[in-house]
Amino acid sequence: GAVVSQHPSRVICKSGTSVKIECRSLDFQATTMFWYRQFPKKSLMLMATSNEGSKATYEQGVEKDKFLINHASLTLSTLTVTSAHPEDSSFYICSATTTGNSPLHFGNGTRLTVT
Amino acid sequence: GIQVEQSPPDLILQEGANSTLRCNFSDSVNNLQWFHQNPWGQLINLFYIPSGTKQNGRLSATTVATERYSLLYISSSQTTDSGVYFCAVAFMDSNYQLIWGAGTKLIIKP
Repeated sequence: GAVVSQHPSRVICKSGTSVKIECRSLDFQATTMFWYRQFPKKSLMLMATSNEGSKATYEQGVEKDKFLINHASLTLSTLTVTSAHPEDSSFYICSATTTGNSPLHFGNGTRLTVT
Repeated sequence: GIQVEQSPPDLILQEGANSTLRCNFSDSVNNLQWFHQNPWGQLINLFYIPSGTKQNGRLSATTVATERYSLLYISSSQTTDSGVYFCAVAFMDSNYQLIWGAGTKLIIKP
């Protein structure tokens, strides 16, 4: 089946530094990738939608200069949390799909802790 | 507005029991998926089921699109079934973005 690899699975960084999270579709071409954020005991919150070769579309309230998304190829999207603050600590999950109406496949998530 | 509602919010059962989780949605959909998030946070795609019925082992799901609901059935529950079950839908004319329900937290006691 379709596999999405996300790493790192856990990262701890200091305030003010930047962290990059990678999301790769291993056995299919992902025309669209989504990035989600999940707070404890809450549902997933869509942060942005990225299509290969074009700029990401951010949801309302998500700072695009803080959460940089790059979808450089059909198998790789990256989320960079810039100038991280403790309130950015969260669980970040990516998902990928081939076409608009196909099932989504998820990475295993990245738990970010900013100290 | 667009809504996805799941019920019950919490469910505690003994091992071996059966359960039914419900997902109501407010408009026509072209995508509906059920996910299980395990205690480690991993999301597992259970069913892609915008309509009809599917079964996979002890799990089955039914979506009645005309009545705007979907049901997830878990039979003979095991402790490994514990976690949060999410329903997510993509409404027609929504650019296929998934709208997530709040989830049902399931605890299976041994």
